[in-house]
Formats: sequence, structure tokens, C-alpha cells
Amino acid sequence: GAVVSQHPSRVICKSGTSVKIECRSLDFQATTMFWYRQFPKQSLMLMATSNEGSKATYEQGVEKDKFLINHASLTLSTLTVTSAHPEDSSFYICSAPKGSTEAFFGQGTRLTVV
Amino acid sequence: GDSVTQMEGPVTLSEEAFLTINCTYTATGYPSLFWYVQYPGEGLQLLLKATKADDKGSNKGFEATYRKETTSFHLEKGSVQVSDSAVYFCALSSQNAGNMLTFGGGTRLMVKP
Repeated sequence: GAVVSQHPSRVICKSGTSVKIECRSLDFQATTMFWYRQFPKQSLMLMATSNEGSKATYEQGVEKDKFLINHASLTLSTLTVTSAHPEDSSFYICSAPKGSTEAFFGQGTRLTVV
Repeated sequence: GDSVTQMEGPVTLSEEAFLTINCTYTATGYPSLFWYVQYPGEGLQLLLKATKADDKGSNKGFEATYRKETTSFHLEKGSVQVSDSAVYFCALSSQNAGNMLTFGGGTRLMVKP
């Protein structure tokens, strides 16, 4: 079946640094990818929609300058958390829709900012 | 807009008990419905799906039937195991929203030996 690979799975960074998370569709092309954030014991909240060849669409309340999204090719989207702070510590997960009824998720990235 | 409501957890059951996790939705058009499972420390995995009314999704002993008349997609399993302990998310995907997934709040299932 279709696979989406997300890397890294875990990252610890210092406050003020930036972290890049990659999301790749391994055996299909994804013109759109979704980035979600999950707080402890809560559901996933959509942060932004990544569009290949154009600007990402951000959900209300998500700072686009802080969460930079680049969808440079049909198989790769990246999320960069800039100037990370402890409150950015969370579980980030991407998904790529395939066809009209399927969505495949990456393994998720647990970010800890110290 | 689209929304998904599922029962709050945690749900605690003994091994071999019957499981039901309720899920209802509101959506325009004809969404596809999904159940995802998240095991401790892992990402989301698709458990089962149904793409049209009266479809039944099934996998690993879990089942859910797409009920348009009651806008529901309840998850059931006849005999749970300790290894089923996880968080379960009900979700819908609407073509009107570019196939973006809308999630319920998640239900934590704890199965005791």
C-alpha cells in the first residue's frame, strides 16, 4: 500500500533554534499534504495545507512565519518550526491524500524544545 | 463546517469484553468515514474505512457501518485484547474540503488482562 515517510521521528532542540520536519510520499504523488499537531491527550488539529508549487494555506491561529511550509515537489513537503520555544513541543504529523477516499499518515515527529 | 463527535474516554474493559466506541458526524455532501488507531508512542494508522452509506469497514476484528440515516460510524469489536489498548480516532473526509480529514477528539481504550 501507499506509504508516507516522515523524518525525524523524534527531535530535541534548544530554545531559539529551528527544526525541519520532512514528509515524503514514497510511491505516489501528492499535490497536497496536510500538517497536523497533536497536544498531549488531545486530537489532531489541522495546522496547514501544503500545496505543491504554491503557498501553503494556514488554519486560523497558526503563525505562518513560525511554521514555514515548503512543498517543493510532488513527493516532498517540509515543515520548519522557526525559533522554537518550549510551548512548540508537540507531536507533529503529516498526511497525504491519495485518490478521493484515502489519506496516508507519516509516523509523526515528537518535538521537544528545551 | 464538518465535525466529528466521539465518546470521551478512557474506556476501560477486561480482555474478551465487547467494545463499542460511538462516533457521529455532521458534513455536507457524502463524506468518507474512517477509524484511525494510535498505539502508544506511534503515529496514526488507518484501521478501517467506509466510503458510502451502508458500507461496512472491517479489519483485525473491528467493524464499523456507515449509517447515513443516523450520521453514525460506531466502532465495534466482539472480543478485545490487551494489545488493542490505544487511542482511536473517528474521522471524515469530504471532497468539498479537498479530502482534508476532520477528526473526532479520540477515545482512549485500556484493556486489562
